[in-house]
Amino acid sequence: NAGVTQTPKFQVLKTGQSMTLQCAQDMNHEYMSWYRQDPGMGLRLIHYSVGAGITDQGEVPNGYNVSRSTTEDFPLRLLSAAPSQTSVYFCASRTGRNTEAFFGQGTRLTVV
Amino acid sequence: EDQVTQSPEALRLQEGESSSLNCSYTVSGLRGLFWYRQDPGKGPEFLFTLYSAGEEKEKERLKATLTKKESFLHITAPKPEDSATYLCADDQTGANNLFFGTGTRLTVIP
Repeated sequence: NAGVTQTPKFQVLKTGQSMTLQCAQDMNHEYMSWYRQDPGMGLRLIHYSVGAGITDQGEVPNGYNVSRSTTEDFPLRLLSAAPSQTSVYFCASRTGRNTEAFFGQGTRLTVV
Repeated sequence: EDQVTQSPEALRLQEGESSSLNCSYTVSGLRGLFWYRQDPGKGPEFLFTLYSAGEEKEKERLKATLTKKESFLHITAPKPEDSATYLCADDQTGANNLFFGTGTRLTVIP
């Protein structure tokens, strides 16, 4: 099993460009989440989903959009990239509440 | 508001020198306390889940314990390959996600 797969691994964007970070899981998990990780700030939740067709905002949702049309995929869209969105992005999935989350390998995004 | 605080921020140990990492969590509504290991350039890797005070879990040189207000990750006779950032996270009643602390960066010197 591949687990949680994120693409791309690295990306450089210019300010104002848009892009989509891809996340796919093959464990049939209902819950999926996007986090960003910045030095000294730990993992902060951007958006999450508790099942296909259901999404909600996390701690830092501004500038990001998500949708969940299938159980397997949970893409994260940057609408108009800003330097403040330079970060490492992690996608995670879990069976449900009170269970461990499994993480992808991350996408390192630089906005110039 | 959910709060998870880890200490120390960084820890340097000699190989074989045992120590403990601390994680304080929001006491009310805890459903689970999770420990992860993160290597540079990688995603967090799950280590342990603890559900109730008094519970302990072990894996190789690591032992996680949970009290009514904090959790400890004890590292016995560490080796250089134990060098990593260790993250803890809690799962609170009414929340759909794990809330993470900022981590402890452990360096084990040969």
